[in-house]
Order: sequence, then C-alpha cells, then structure tokens
Amino acid sequence: DAGITQSPRHKVTETGTPVTLRCHQTENHRYMYWYRQDPGHGLRLIHYSYGVKDTDKGEVSDGYSVSRSKTEDFLLTLESATSSQTSVYFCAISDDGTGSPYEQYFGPGTRLTVT
Amino acid sequence: AQSVTQLDSHVSVSEGTPVLLRCNYSSSYSPSLFWYVQHPNKGLQLLLKYTSAATLVKGINGFEAEFKKSETSFHLTKPSAHMSDAAEYFCVVSDPGGYQKVTFGTGTKLQVIP
Repeated sequence: DAGITQSPRHKVTETGTPVTLRCHQTENHRYMYWYRQDPGHGLRLIHYSYGVKDTDKGEVSDGYSVSRSKTEDFLLTLESATSSQTSVYFCAISDDGTGSPYEQYFGPGTRLTVT
Repeated sequence: AQSVTQLDSHVSVSEGTPVLLRCNYSSSYSPSLFWYVQHPNKGLQLLLKYTSAATLVKGINGFEAEFKKSETSFHLTKPSAHMSDAAEYFCVVSDPGGYQKVTFGTGTKLQVIP
C-alpha cells in the first residue's frame, strides 16, 4: 500500500468553527489531491497540488482552502465549517515518474461531521 | 472536457454468476481509464487500468475490462461473483496532459446474494 496517512480519521465539529485535515505521504509523489465523497456523487475534487506551494481549485472548492509547504504534507482547511461540509474526505497522490501517469493512490479517509 | 457515466447505481447478482458493471466515457483525447473498488468504510483500491496498450485489461481478483473506442465504453466484468466482491465500484477517466486530474463516475454498488 502507498504510504498515505490522514489525520484525524474522525472529527465532529460545530458550525462556524475552523477545521484542518492533514494528508501525509511517504512516496515523494508530486501530485496531491483532496476529494469529498457524498452518496450519489462519487468523489469530487476539492483542490489539488502539483508541487510545493503550487495548488489549484477543483470542482467543489468553495469554502475550502489548501496549503502545501512540504512535498509530503497537504492540508485542507475549512475556514468556517457548515453542515453541508459533512462528508468523507479522501486524500490521494499520483506521480508522473516511473509509475503509470494518473493512477492515484488513496488514503484511508477522514469522516467529518459538522453539527 | 472529460466525463464518465456509470449506467447502474446498483447491481445485484447471485454468488457464482457473472458480473457486468457498465461505464461510458466522454473524452476529447485518447483517455486513460480506471476502475476502483471501495469496500465499506474503506479507501479506494485500484482494480485495473487502461492506458492505450491492450484493449482487454486484466485486473486483480479476476476482474477485467474491455476498452471499446467505437462505443466509448469500458465495462467491468467478472465470470463468477464471490461474496467478497460486494462493494462500490468507480469508473474513472483521465485525459492526457494537464495536472493529472481525473473524473470519477458516481459509482455502482454491487450486491452479491448467497
């Protein structure tokens, strides 16, 4: 299994509070992604990174920000959590080196509940 | 722009019978295509991938998929379902270039009846 960890694995928070989710990889892969998974929607891309300090928006980026100060860490921040952000969040990584391009490896997920 | 449609949200089969999960894609280029599996409360695991080599792709656990350009399809099959195959399956498409972004289908839940 690819070395990807996410923390926390579960979190319950109140509406209006800030929340930060962490993704950590030990594979030295260039690309990192944050997705949210909701019933009937599959996985939807929130933000992605193509290098240290290089990030861009995905299809559902409103209300989320990201940062990547080191190759191995990609942080997702909900500035002011809302109930609509209750979801399961997955981090993924990929590389354009020796492995197949676009094949993404996924972390175990973080279940976030906003009350 | 790329997109993918999984034609069935739920599929139910009896143990030992064939499995067919359908996926159609749309892409402006020669795409890469993937199938991922997600068991309950788990992350996603790659089943198989198509990257313009052989059109019939074999994956793990006896699954395979055939890339049909004329039909823009990439259906997932398995000759004989096992109870452990019960999971959600996602078809994924990616166009070459750019920043390796992929697009997920909405998923097909496979139920295997004993």
